[in-house]
Amino acid sequence: DAGVIQSPRHEVTEMGQEVTLRCKPISGHDYLFWYRQTMMRGLELLIYFNNNVPIDDSGMPEDRFSAKMPNASFSTLKIQPSEPRDSAVYFCASSFVGNSPLHFGNGTRLTVT
Amino acid sequence: AQKVTQAQTEISVVEKEDVTLDCVYETRDTTYYLFWYKQPPSGELVFLIRRNSFDEQNEISGRYSWNFQKSTSSFNFTITASQVVDSAVYFCALSEAASNSNSGYALNFGKGTSLLVTP
Repeated sequence: DAGVIQSPRHEVTEMGQEVTLRCKPISGHDYLFWYRQTMMRGLELLIYFNNNVPIDDSGMPEDRFSAKMPNASFSTLKIQPSEPRDSAVYFCASSFVGNSPLHFGNGTRLTVT
Repeated sequence: AQKVTQAQTEISVVEKEDVTLDCVYETRDTTYYLFWYKQPPSGELVFLIRRNSFDEQNEISGRYSWNFQKSTSSFNFTITASQVVDSAVYFCALSEAASNSNSGYALNFGKGTSLLVTP
């Protein structure tokens, strides 16, 4: 079991550029979550999927953010255009069934200059 | 709306001391789940424990123990005989049964308690 795999580990980009974060959940897990961690706001849920279908995207900050899950083994979080305030660590997590523990990836540290 | 409060922002102890991390939660639901996660300096989030709202038994795992009290809406975490490797940020989290809300299965995290254990 390789765990949840996120790429890239670090991303540095300039304001206005498009950023795409990638996640591969644990095989067999039906739920996938995207969280953002900042010093000011802590860990915030952005969106989560069940069986590839978005269930709750109320945490997505604004239209610049979008997330997709085209199949059970891949998800992306895209920011277009990026802004300095998007700088944060973005975590992807997956779980087997509802309310079971979330298994987190190592995160992507995004810096927007 | 559900809410998790970890009032202790930072705690510093000397190795071998016992330390308790507090967690208070708010929810209107009768069915919910409580979690603790550890985030060491390397940054990953490590699952420690899950408790459901119908099981108030305390749990012990090695030097770790958890005290769940519904009467005070608390789920406190104690580390006995702390070690330097325990230095990390610890998060308490709450999730509700999905039938109660769209975000039911997602974890709502507290702000975390940063624990520093010095030799």
